[in-house]
Amino acid sequence: QVQLQESGPGLVKPSQTLSLTCTVSGGSISSGGYYWSWIRQHPGKGLEWIGYIYYSGSTYYNPSLKSRVTISVDTSKNQFSLKLSSVTAADTAVYYCARGRRDGYQNWFDPWGQGTLVTVSS
Amino acid sequence: SSELTQDPAVSVALGQTVRITCQGDSLRSYYASWYQQKPGQAPVLVIYGKNNRPSGIPDRFSGSSSGNTASLTITGAQAEDEADYYCNSRDSSGNHHYVFGTGTKVTVL
Repeated sequence: QVQLQESGPGLVKPSQTLSLTCTVSGGSISSGGYYWSWIRQHPGKGLEWIGYIYYSGSTYYNPSLKSRVTISVDTSKNQFSLKLSSVTAADTAVYYCARGRRDGYQNWFDPWGQGTLVTVSS
Repeated sequence: SSELTQDPAVSVALGQTVRITCQGDSLRSYYASWYQQKPGQAPVLVIYGKNNRPSGIPDRFSGSSSGNTASLTITGAQAEDEADYYCNSRDSSGNHHYVFGTGTKVTVL
Protein backbone atom coordinates (compact mmCIF):
# COMPACT_ATOMS: atom_id res chain seq x y z
CA GLN A 1 0.00 0.00 0.00
CA VAL A 2 1.47 3.28 -1.13
CA GLN A 3 1.98 5.91 1.55
CA LEU A 4 3.17 9.49 1.27
CA GLN A 5 4.83 11.63 3.93
CA GLU A 6 5.64 15.32 3.75
CA SER A 7 8.66 16.81 5.48
CA GLY A 8 10.23 20.22 5.74
CA PRO A 9 10.41 23.39 7.82
CA GLY A 10 7.23 24.47 9.53
CA LEU A 11 8.27 28.12 9.61
CA VAL A 12 9.55 30.19 6.71
CA LYS A 13 10.41 33.87 6.68
CA PRO A 14 8.73 36.23 4.22
CA SER A 15 10.48 36.57 0.86
CA GLN A 16 12.31 33.26 1.37
CA THR A 17 11.73 29.96 -0.40
CA LEU A 18 9.46 27.28 1.03
CA SER A 19 10.89 23.79 0.47
CA LEU A 20 9.05 20.55 1.15
CA THR A 21 9.76 16.93 0.32
CA CYS A 22 7.34 14.06 -0.08
CA THR A 23 8.67 10.56 0.52
CA VAL A 24 6.81 7.74 -1.17
CA SER A 25 6.82 4.29 0.42
CA GLY A 26 5.21 1.03 -0.59
CA GLY A 27 5.62 1.69 -4.29
CA SER A 28 7.96 3.19 -6.85
CA ILE A 29 7.69 6.80 -7.87
CA SER A 30 8.90 5.65 -11.29
CA SER A 31 5.73 3.69 -11.89
CA GLY A 32 4.10 5.06 -14.99
CA GLY A 33 0.64 6.53 -15.00
CA TYR A 34 0.89 8.55 -11.82
CA TYR A 35 1.21 12.28 -11.34
CA TRP A 36 2.97 13.21 -8.11
CA SER A 37 1.14 16.24 -6.83
CA TRP A 38 1.17 19.07 -4.34
CA ILE A 39 -2.04 20.56 -2.97
CA ARG A 40 -2.45 23.14 -0.23
CA GLN A 41 -5.17 24.31 2.09
CA HIS A 42 -5.18 27.74 3.67
CA PRO A 43 -6.38 27.75 7.30
CA GLY A 44 -10.12 27.21 7.38
CA LYS A 45 -10.34 27.29 3.59
CA GLY A 46 -10.66 24.94 0.64
CA LEU A 47 -8.15 22.93 -1.35
CA GLU A 48 -5.88 24.47 -3.98
CA TRP A 49 -4.01 22.42 -6.56
CA ILE A 50 -0.40 23.60 -6.82
CA GLY A 51 0.99 21.31 -9.48
CA TYR A 52 2.41 17.91 -10.28
CA ILE A 53 5.32 16.08 -11.80
CA TYR A 54 5.40 12.93 -13.83
CA TYR A 55 8.22 10.50 -13.10
CA SER A 56 9.79 11.47 -16.43
CA GLY A 57 10.15 15.02 -15.16
CA SER A 58 7.26 16.70 -16.97
CA THR A 59 5.67 19.32 -14.77
CA TYR A 60 2.38 21.23 -14.71
CA TYR A 61 1.62 24.12 -12.39
CA ASN A 62 -1.36 26.15 -11.28
CA PRO A 63 -1.21 29.29 -13.45
CA SER A 64 -1.70 31.49 -10.39
CA LEU A 65 1.49 30.09 -8.80
CA LYS A 66 3.49 29.12 -11.85
CA SER A 67 6.03 31.95 -11.61
CA ARG A 68 7.04 30.89 -8.09
CA VAL A 69 6.70 27.10 -8.11
CA THR A 70 9.16 24.36 -8.93
CA ILE A 71 8.38 20.67 -8.47
CA SER A 72 11.16 18.14 -8.92
CA VAL A 73 11.59 14.40 -8.52
CA ASP A 74 14.41 12.24 -7.18
CA THR A 75 13.68 8.71 -8.31
CA SER A 76 16.75 7.32 -6.51
CA LYS A 77 15.27 8.42 -3.18
CA ASN A 78 11.65 7.82 -4.19
CA GLN A 79 10.89 11.43 -3.35
CA PHE A 80 9.48 14.51 -4.99
CA SER A 81 9.81 18.07 -3.83
CA LEU A 82 8.14 21.45 -3.85
CA LYS A 83 9.81 24.82 -3.88
CA LEU A 84 7.78 28.00 -3.61
CA SER A 85 9.76 31.20 -3.84
CA SER A 86 9.15 34.72 -2.53
CA VAL A 87 6.64 33.57 0.04
CA THR A 88 4.30 35.88 1.92
CA ALA A 89 1.82 35.36 4.73
CA ALA A 90 -0.69 34.37 2.05
CA ASP A 91 1.31 31.18 1.52
CA THR A 92 0.66 30.02 5.07
CA ALA A 93 -1.21 26.75 4.62
CA VAL A 94 -1.24 23.03 5.16
CA TYR A 95 0.65 21.47 2.26
CA TYR A 96 -0.30 17.99 1.09
CA CYS A 97 1.42 15.68 -1.32
CA ALA A 98 -0.75 13.20 -3.18
CA ARG A 99 -0.57 10.64 -5.95
CA GLY A 100 -2.62 11.66 -8.93
CA ARG A 101 -3.91 9.55 -11.73
CA ARG A 102 -5.69 10.34 -14.96
CA ASP A 103 -7.59 7.89 -17.12
CA GLY A 104 -9.45 9.34 -20.06
CA TYR A 105 -12.00 11.81 -18.79
CA GLN A 106 -11.48 11.04 -15.13
CA ASN A 107 -8.79 11.98 -12.66
CA TRP A 108 -8.28 11.45 -8.97
CA PHE A 109 -5.82 11.95 -6.11
CA ASP A 110 -5.18 8.96 -3.89
CA PRO A 111 -3.55 8.51 -1.46
CA TRP A 112 -2.65 11.74 0.28
CA GLY A 113 0.04 12.49 2.80
CA GLN A 114 -1.01 13.62 6.26
CA GLY A 115 -0.15 17.23 5.42
CA THR A 116 2.29 19.64 6.95
CA LEU A 117 1.54 23.14 8.19
CA VAL A 118 3.87 25.81 6.88
CA THR A 119 3.66 29.24 8.48
CA VAL A 120 5.21 32.27 6.82
CA SER A 121 6.26 34.73 9.47
CA SER A 122 9.27 36.75 10.51
CA SER B 1 -8.90 28.18 -15.53
CA SER B 2 -12.37 27.12 -14.45
CA GLU B 3 -14.21 27.10 -11.17
CA LEU B 4 -16.19 24.44 -9.37
CA THR B 5 -19.00 25.70 -7.16
CA GLN B 6 -20.52 23.83 -4.24
CA ASP B 7 -23.15 24.75 -1.67
CA PRO B 8 -21.33 25.81 1.51
CA ALA B 9 -23.32 23.59 3.85
CA VAL B 10 -26.03 20.96 3.93
CA SER B 11 -27.58 18.95 6.73
CA VAL B 12 -29.12 15.50 6.78
CA ALA B 13 -30.97 13.49 9.39
CA LEU B 14 -29.28 10.31 10.53
CA GLY B 15 -30.14 7.50 8.13
CA GLN B 16 -31.54 9.78 5.45
CA THR B 17 -30.16 10.65 2.02
CA VAL B 18 -28.20 13.76 1.08
CA ARG B 19 -26.95 14.91 -2.29
CA ILE B 20 -24.01 17.28 -2.66
CA THR B 21 -23.62 19.08 -5.96
CA CYS B 22 -20.68 20.55 -7.81
CA GLN B 23 -21.16 22.88 -10.77
CA GLY B 24 -18.65 23.98 -13.36
CA ASP B 25 -18.02 24.19 -17.08
CA SER B 26 -15.25 21.59 -16.93
CA LEU B 27 -17.79 19.00 -15.78
CA ARG B 28 -19.32 19.00 -19.26
CA SER B 29 -16.09 17.36 -20.43
CA TYR B 30 -14.59 15.63 -17.41
CA TYR B 31 -15.81 13.55 -14.51
CA ALA B 32 -15.48 14.81 -10.95
CA SER B 33 -13.72 13.05 -8.13
CA TRP B 34 -14.92 13.55 -4.57
CA TYR B 35 -13.00 13.81 -1.29
CA GLN B 36 -14.09 13.60 2.32
CA GLN B 37 -12.14 15.62 4.86
CA LYS B 38 -12.67 15.39 8.59
CA PRO B 39 -11.25 18.02 10.97
CA GLY B 40 -7.49 17.83 11.28
CA GLN B 41 -7.20 15.06 8.72
CA ALA B 42 -6.10 14.79 5.13
CA PRO B 43 -8.74 14.42 2.41
CA VAL B 44 -9.79 10.91 1.47
CA LEU B 45 -10.98 9.89 -1.99
CA VAL B 46 -14.55 8.56 -1.89
CA ILE B 47 -15.71 8.63 -5.52
CA TYR B 48 -13.98 8.99 -8.89
CA GLY B 49 -14.97 8.72 -12.50
CA LYS B 50 -18.47 7.81 -13.54
CA ASN B 51 -19.22 6.18 -10.17
CA ASN B 52 -16.20 4.34 -8.80
CA ARG B 53 -15.50 3.75 -5.12
CA PRO B 54 -11.99 3.03 -3.85
CA SER B 55 -11.54 -0.03 -1.73
CA GLY B 56 -12.85 0.52 1.78
CA ILE B 57 -15.38 3.22 0.91
CA PRO B 58 -18.92 2.21 1.93
CA ASP B 59 -21.42 1.64 -0.84
CA ARG B 60 -23.71 4.31 0.61
CA PHE B 61 -21.50 6.77 -1.31
CA SER B 62 -22.33 7.15 -4.99
CA GLY B 63 -21.63 9.61 -7.76
CA SER B 64 -23.44 10.87 -10.83
CA SER B 65 -23.16 13.58 -13.43
CA SER B 66 -25.40 15.56 -15.77
CA GLY B 67 -24.43 18.49 -17.92
CA ASN B 68 -22.29 20.86 -15.89
CA THR B 69 -23.21 19.32 -12.54
CA ALA B 70 -21.66 16.42 -10.66
CA SER B 71 -23.30 14.97 -7.58
CA LEU B 72 -22.21 12.94 -4.60
CA THR B 73 -25.03 11.10 -2.84
CA ILE B 74 -24.86 9.59 0.61
CA THR B 75 -27.71 7.11 1.04
CA GLY B 76 -28.40 6.37 4.68
CA ALA B 77 -26.05 8.95 6.17
CA GLN B 78 -24.16 7.92 9.27
CA ALA B 79 -22.74 10.08 12.03
CA GLU B 80 -19.23 9.39 10.77
CA ASP B 81 -20.12 10.94 7.41
CA GLU B 82 -20.14 14.40 8.97
CA ALA B 83 -17.27 16.12 7.21
CA ASP B 84 -16.29 18.56 4.49
CA TYR B 85 -16.62 17.28 0.95
CA TYR B 86 -14.72 18.60 -2.06
CA CYS B 87 -15.12 17.88 -5.74
CA ASN B 88 -12.22 18.01 -8.17
CA SER B 89 -11.85 17.94 -11.90
CA ARG B 90 -9.52 18.72 -14.70
CA ASP B 91 -9.53 22.28 -15.95
CA SER B 92 -11.78 22.75 -18.97
CA SER B 93 -9.10 24.75 -20.76
CA GLY B 94 -7.59 21.52 -21.99
CA ASN B 95 -4.34 22.07 -20.18
CA HIS B 96 -2.96 19.69 -17.60
CA HIS B 97 -4.46 21.74 -14.79
CA TYR B 98 -6.80 20.76 -12.01
CA VAL B 99 -9.28 22.58 -9.83
CA PHE B 100 -11.09 21.82 -6.57
CA GLY B 101 -14.59 22.81 -5.63
CA THR B 102 -15.34 25.31 -2.90
CA GLY B 103 -16.34 22.59 -0.47
CA THR B 104 -19.54 21.54 1.31
CA LYS B 105 -19.87 21.02 5.04
CA VAL B 106 -22.19 18.09 5.71
CA THR B 107 -23.83 17.98 9.13
CA VAL B 108 -25.57 14.79 10.25
CA LEU B 109 -28.41 15.60 12.65
